[in-house]
Amino acid sequence: GAVVSQHPSRVICKSGTSVKIECRSLDFQATTMFWYRQFPKQSLMLMATSNEGSKATYEQGVEKDKFLINHASLTLSTLTVTSAHPEDSSFYICSARDSRDSFSSYEQYFGPGTRLTVT
Amino acid sequence: KNQVEQSPQSLIILEGKNCTLQCNYTVSPFSNLRWYKQDTGRGPVSLTIMTFSENTKSNGRYTATLDADTKQSSLHITASQLSDSASYICVVSAGVNSGGYQKVTFGTGTKLQVIP
Repeated sequence: GAVVSQHPSRVICKSGTSVKIECRSLDFQATTMFWYRQFPKQSLMLMATSNEGSKATYEQGVEKDKFLINHASLTLSTLTVTSAHPEDSSFYICSARDSRDSFSSYEQYFGPGTRLTVT
Repeated sequence: KNQVEQSPQSLIILEGKNCTLQCNYTVSPFSNLRWYKQDTGRGPVSLTIMTFSENTKSNGRYTATLDADTKQSSLHITASQLSDSASYICVVSAGVNSGGYQKVTFGTGTKLQVIP
């Protein structure tokens, strides 16, 4: 089956530093990847849609200069949290659509998530 | 406003028992409804996907139903196992956003705990 990995699985950083999270599709090509954030006891919230070779589309209320997304290849998207603050501490999850699926396909394959803690 | 509400918020059942989780939605225009299982600290894993024309779908011990008229779905778990302990999330897709992708609304989930 389609596998999506994320690295790192956990990261602790100091306030003011930047953190990069990688999302990889291991056995398929992903033209489109999605980045979500999940706070404790809350549902996943879509942050942005990442398209290979083009700028990401951010959801309303998500600062694009703070959450930098780069989708440079068909198997890799990165999310960089710049100048992180304690309120950015959250569980970040990516998902990917298989490029072979039709545009109207419903399936998204989720990564295992990255737990970010900003001290 | 698109909303997906799940009930109960949490549930504790004995191993071997059955349970049913509920999902009500106000998403429009409806495209599809998915149930995911999310283990603590992990990403969601797809259980079932149903479109407008489907009213039931099974995946092993998981059976999902959909009533598009009342905008309700349920996930029935049969003969529960300890490994079923997780959050179960109902996700509804509707229409398309400005980027041409389906708008996806996630429910807050039902946290299920199966005890011996």
